[in-house]
Amino acid sequence: DQQVKQNSPSLSVQEGRISILNCDYTNSMFDYFLWYKKYPAEGPTFLISISSIKDKNEDGRFTVFLNKSAKHLSLHIVPSQPGDSAVYFCAASGNNQGGKLIFGQGTELSVKP
Amino acid sequence: GAGVSQSPSNKVTEKGKDVELRCDPISGHTALYWYRQSLGQGLEFLIYFQGNSAPDKSGLPSDRFSAERTGGSVSTLTIQRTQQEDSAVYLCASSFLSRRDTQYFGPGTRLTVL
Repeated sequence: DQQVKQNSPSLSVQEGRISILNCDYTNSMFDYFLWYKKYPAEGPTFLISISSIKDKNEDGRFTVFLNKSAKHLSLHIVPSQPGDSAVYFCAASGNNQGGKLIFGQGTELSVKP
Repeated sequence: GAGVSQSPSNKVTEKGKDVELRCDPISGHTALYWYRQSLGQGLEFLIYFQGNSAPDKSGLPSDRFSAERTGGSVSTLTIQRTQQEDSAVYLCASSFLSRRDTQYFGPGTRLTVL
């Protein structure tokens, strides 16, 4: 079963606008959530994370929102830049799962100039 | 060069052959992870090593898959009697210590089983 889901395989946004990437999870034991960014032929790189004790974490143009009751998180990128074009993966970990991350399927973001 | 390195970058093999994939983690990182990404899919956890503890093998898809970590550093993922469904990008990651430390990924090994 897919414990972390990203239902949008792709998203296209105009440069300067906001990009919103969504992620849903089913396991209530997850207490730490992360977003990774991946360019072709490279490994994923860490972008931003959030603990379940918070509902928002911001780092520059990137903000992650967590809605625990809905088991939903989102990544906002504003303003979007062409260099943000990549595949974005949502991931989660739980206190009972050691360090392993459970990833979503990814959303391919395309930011058009 | 402080990043995670993996070799080979590409591997093409025939069905039924064994393959070994290598990962060199970041120096000083005690945790090492293997994931794989099949075409159009997300990253799937395979196995996790933390210090001297017994590895978490809960993600290995079959007993054809095994991994070792020698001397707390380099790791080798071995796939015996490869099948076409094993074709994927195999990614290794390492982190410093605790589960909330950032996992740094290598570039991956693209395995193609003909």
